[in-house]
Amino acid sequence: NAGVTQTPKFRVLKTGQSMTLLCAQDMNHEYMYWYRQDPGMGLRLIHYSVGEGTTAKGEVPDGYNVSRLKKQNFLLGLESAAPSQTSVYFCASSYSIMTQETQYFGPGTRLLVL
Amino acid sequence: SQQGEEDPQALSIQEGENATMNCSYKTSINNLQWYRQNSGRGLVHLILIRSNEREKHSGRLRVTLDTSKKSSSLLITASRAADTASYFCATLVNQAGTALIFGKGTTLSVSS
Repeated sequence: NAGVTQTPKFRVLKTGQSMTLLCAQDMNHEYMYWYRQDPGMGLRLIHYSVGEGTTAKGEVPDGYNVSRLKKQNFLLGLESAAPSQTSVYFCASSYSIMTQETQYFGPGTRLLVL
Repeated sequence: SQQGEEDPQALSIQEGENATMNCSYKTSINNLQWYRQNSGRGLVHLILIRSNEREKHSGRLRVTLDTSKKSSSLLITASRAADTASYFCATLVNQAGTALIFGKGTTLSVSS
């Protein structure tokens, strides 16, 4: 099992450009999440999905869109990148609707917006 | 806003010593989880403690939970250089229990 994988590992964008971050999991997990991690801020939830075809907003959703067309994939889009979106992005997944499930994290994507 | 807050922000100890880090949270929880993050890597789940539990052990890890004080502590005994990492507590964000809110973390440095 590869677990949770993220593509790309690193990306540099210019302000106003768009891009899509891909998260894939091979554990048949229902739940998937996108977080951003900034120095001194810990992890903050951007969007999450409780199943194929569903998405929901997290703590900091502005400037991002997501899609969950397939159960194993969760895409995070930046339509018009801003320097404030420079961050490390982590995807995570968990198994079921049970509230006591732990999350499995990908290795992260470092994004620099100039 | 952050649900969990870890204390201290940074901790430096020698190998063999014990490390204790604390987490305080604001609202009622179903469970509290601790994660570890090595530099430049993703987070790894360490241990989960349910709201009706007071203490839990896993290897060299001991977690306590005091729901009356809305606080938890993570104790790492006989620390090793490999324990050097950031440690985060996380709690459920809403009653549906669909997502976690993480604290800002404690950075632990263990020197040999």
